[in-house]
Amino acid sequence: KNEVEQSPQNLTAQEGEFITINCSYSVGISALHWLQQHPGGGIVSLFMLSSGKKKHGRLIATINIQEKHSSLHITASHPRDSAVYICAVEEGGSEKLVFGKGTKLTVNP
Amino acid sequence: DAGITQSPRHKVTETGTPVTLRCHQTENHRYMYWYRQDPGHGLRLIHYSYGVKDTDKGEVSDGYSVSRSKTEDFLLTLESATSSQTSVYFCAIRGVHSPLHFGNGTRLTVT
Repeated sequence: KNEVEQSPQNLTAQEGEFITINCSYSVGISALHWLQQHPGGGIVSLFMLSSGKKKHGRLIATINIQEKHSSLHITASHPRDSAVYICAVEEGGSEKLVFGKGTKLTVNP
Repeated sequence: DAGITQSPRHKVTETGTPVTLRCHQTENHRYMYWYRQDPGHGLRLIHYSYGVKDTDKGEVSDGYSVSRSKTEDFLLTLESATSSQTSVYFCAIRGVHSPLHFGNGTRLTVT
């Protein structure tokens, strides 16, 4: 079974800082998802990656298949970025996803 | 936004009563999932479906059953609710090689 580890578990930043959240997994995958959940809110899909890099606004996601590692970067962080960020992986040939426990980000003004 | 709705949004029920949660999608996606989210555990898979009448268990399936008689509907039933099933329940959908979309969640309290 794939083990998905996220780091850090908690992260506090000042507005404007560059943020990096990491996700490592143990078994080969077909795709990796980054999700965002605001306090008391629903869960939103940010990215789905199988290779390389994707960018959407101030968010950038990268994946290194050989190293079994993905990063989510937030440039020019803002208090509205405060949320829990969750990594999930799809194992090849499986319909199920394995989730990390999330990284709680707090961005202070 | 992907067309996925959960009902009810909130439910309070007594121990021992049956409860059914509904997930409805308008995307015609193949895969549907039920997760529960609890502090310290993250999202845990209860059951999932890969087609009409095709379902399978997840990691925390005890005490839960599901049915999918139509592509658009995936029902989660707690046969006899227990306090340990107090949680927030999320439904999710996805197509083949496509992103996940989650419902808004159902907050269930079993007293």
